[in-house]
Amino acid sequence: AQSVTQPDIHITVSEGASLELRCNYSYGATPYLFWYVQSPGQGLQLLLKYFSGDTLVQGIKGFEAEFKRSQSSFNLRKPSVHWSDAAEYFCAVGARGNTDKLIFGTGTRLQVFP
Amino acid sequence: NAGVTQTPKFQVLKTGQSMTLQCAQDMNHNSMYWYRQDPGMGLRLIYYSASEGTTDKGEVPNGYNVSRLNKREFSLRLESAAPSQTSVYFCASRGGSFQETQYFGPGTRLLVL
Repeated sequence: AQSVTQPDIHITVSEGASLELRCNYSYGATPYLFWYVQSPGQGLQLLLKYFSGDTLVQGIKGFEAEFKRSQSSFNLRKPSVHWSDAAEYFCAVGARGNTDKLIFGTGTRLQVFP
Repeated sequence: NAGVTQTPKFQVLKTGQSMTLQCAQDMNHNSMYWYRQDPGMGLRLIYYSASEGTTDKGEVPNGYNVSRLNKREFSLRLESAAPSQTSVYFCASRGGSFQETQYFGPGTRLLVL
């Protein structure tokens, strides 16, 4: 079955610390991969996406993610977290060429301490 | 551009009441989607419309109906609301220059008593 796993429900980091949010997927073929961020009371905003090519992709707000085919992972990273990064982060996968049916992970809530 | 807009922002219903959630996009996108978001479950697709005039079921369609009114608008109707439909509902659209990316509205928070 197709699925996305975000093993960390809640992560707390200090401002300025580095961050890595984990995402693993189970899919028949290499899918398109997305990371979205949701601030409290807001909709989802696209952070970055991977379709093909360089496996390290850069996104907005200083985030990056690395696609590792051998590990079926697409982990999100940021070298130095800011208090404004506190939000919920969702990993999602979709079929190559047709992302009508995105599969979302259950999300990781990030808390940032000053 | 407003992007994807949703109305209302918040609604309280009694069990058995009906209501329609409205969604509109001004990005000339072909595809539109309705999701529900529940704690610990991420987002689940209710219905989608790949193009004007077509609609298809997603993962959790029971208890809902949709209408793709025109290219811009995609509505979600609850005919007889149940407490299990208490959720946050998101509309999204896809198309244009970044064909594979879905863009989301701000959400409608629905409470069914």
